[in-house]
Amino acid sequence: DQQVKQNSPSLSVQEGRISILNCDYTNSMFDYFLWYKKYPAEGPTFLISISSIKDKNEDGRFTVFLNKSAKHLSLHIVPSQPGDSAVYFCAASALWGKFQFGAGTQVVVTP
Amino acid sequence: EAQVTQNPRYLITVTGKKLTVTCSQNMNHEYMSWYRQDPGLGLRQIYYSMNVEVTDKGDVPEGYKVSRKEKRNFPLILESPSPNQTSLYFCASSFTGSSNQPQHFGDGTRLSIL
Repeated sequence: DQQVKQNSPSLSVQEGRISILNCDYTNSMFDYFLWYKKYPAEGPTFLISISSIKDKNEDGRFTVFLNKSAKHLSLHIVPSQPGDSAVYFCAASALWGKFQFGAGTQVVVTP
Repeated sequence: EAQVTQNPRYLITVTGKKLTVTCSQNMNHEYMSWYRQDPGLGLRQIYYSMNVEVTDKGDVPEGYKVSRKEKRNFPLILESPSPNQTSLYFCASSFTGSSNQPQHFGDGTRLSIL
């Protein structure tokens, strides 16, 4: 039973435009959410995170928004660049040590 | 260079032949974890360890064993591998394993069980 869902397996966006990745969750006990980025043949790398007590966190071109009432978070990338082409995973945790990940969204940034 | 190292990177083996995937980190992290990545399912946690001699089950522990005898190492053991364990495996570590701590991942081990 997946508690973290990324319902869009893929997303194609033009260079310079905004990429919006979505993530839904079912466990209201999650207290922290993290986004990871993964290139082929490499492990995931941390991108940005947000605490459940906040509704927005920004780091350069990356912004994560959290809507607790809807159990929904989104990652905005503005502007999108070719190097952003990767798989993005949403992850969440409610207990120390235990983490749930979504299925991932493949982003392709086109010229 | 701070890193998580997994070996082997690729392995093709047969059903029932015991295998071990090693994981080592050089960041003095207390927390280590194993995940498997499957299409459409994302990463699923197999086992994790909050510190030496402390291990706990993740969401998909069946068919796997782990041990944490030293802080830097966290091997994943498949005592009797089966084809449904064919997957891409990742080891990860962080300082404490708390929810807000990003994990550092190895580059993965692709296992094929025939």
